[in-house]
Parts: sequence; structure tokens; C-alpha cells
Amino acid sequence: QVQLVQSGADMKKPGSSVKVSCKASGGTFSNYPINWLRQAPGQGLEWMGEFTPLFGAANYAQKFQGRVTIITDESTGTAYMELSSLRSDDTAVYYCARDAGDWHFDPWGQGTLVTVSS
Amino acid sequence: QSALTQPASVSGSPGESITISCSGTSSDVGSYNLVSWYQQHPGKAPKLLIYEVSQRPSGLSSRFSGSKSGNTASLTISGLQAEDEADYYCCSYAGTTSYVLFGGGTKLTVL
Repeated sequence: QVQLVQSGADMKKPGSSVKVSCKASGGTFSNYPINWLRQAPGQGLEWMGEFTPLFGAANYAQKFQGRVTIITDESTGTAYMELSSLRSDDTAVYYCARDAGDWHFDPWGQGTLVTVSS
Repeated sequence: QSALTQPASVSGSPGESITISCSGTSSDVGSYNLVSWYQQHPGKAPKLLIYEVSQRPSGLSSRFSGSKSGNTASLTISGLQAEDEADYYCCSYAGTTSYVLFGGGTKLTVL
């Protein structure tokens, strides 16, 4: 059973970029789309975008268009999410999750806390 | 403000049943049978409970069930147990403009 293992917590300055990784352990992405979601402290879940290895194509939430890039490296079984022009309100736990089919997410990574602070 | 509307909190006693509603529109919940529900314990990643409105992942307790009527989806938990105390989120596909919408989450308290 595939598990998703994310990179560790990170702290960034406003205006900089962050890149979070998500590695498939015990399996592969198997061409399922990999999604990225985030959760600000004490808040709900927010979908950011997804990348489908089969098509090599990404779709992003309008809110993040131009600031987010999602890619996968099939050779290493790793997905990446890069968010640029960071602001303090980008402070959140970022999750990767596999689309198990028809837009439901399973499994999820353990989450990566990104703190944006001067 | 979240795109899908859930009650902020619900509560119930052990053994009882509770239902959490998730209100959307004809552009999301009402248009697609692609509603999913997630359980999240504090400090943990969300866990899939229900997908495609009423389907349960393999191995998940039958105490969890989902349904939909019009623009509103619902999650029912029967035979409440202490470990059910968590936050619950609904999610719906919303087409190729918005893609995925979540509710604001409902905190379940087991009394």
C-alpha cells in the first residue's frame, strides 16, 4: 500500500519561494493525479492544484494561478509543489494527496508546516 | 467563507447517531456525484471516509454512511464512539473552473 512521505517543516521570508516534496513509499503514483492542499492554522482545507503524470499536465486553483507549480519526477516517485511570492497568510500545513479516482483523495502525506515570517 | 456550508459543530452521546450536512449549489454538489468526506483528528492528516457520495473505502466501518439530496450532501455516523470525536470536512468536484471545493469543517464532540 502506497504511503506519501513529505519533506520537513520550513521557514521562509516574505517574497521568497518554498518547494515541498512528496515521495511515494511502498509503491508508485501509478499515473494517478497528485494533488496539493493546504490548511492554515485553525482553518479548513483548501485545494491548490493537481498534476497528472499520465498526461504531464497540471491544473491549479484560480487563487494560486501564477504562483504555484506542481510537478512529478516519475524516476524517483516524487512530487513537488513550489509556491512563490510568499506572504504571511501562506503560513499553513501543506499536504500532498493522491487522487484515488474521481476527485477523492487517498492517501494523504503527513503534512509539511511552512511558516512565512520576517 | 468556504464554498460549501457545514455546521460549525455537532455533538452526540456514545451510541447515538449524528448527521452532518454539507450545502452547496447546482454547480458543485448538485451537478456531480463526486462528494467525499474526510475525518481529521488534531495534528493529523485527513482520512478519507466516503467517496462518490456514499461509497466507503475498503475496511472502513459501516457506521459511516453518506447520501445526497439536491444540492446538499450528508454524512451520518451511527453508534457514536469516543474516537469519532474529530473534525469532518465535505468536498465536492465543481467542474473545470473551480475544480475542488471544501466545506469549512464540522467539529464533532462526543459527550
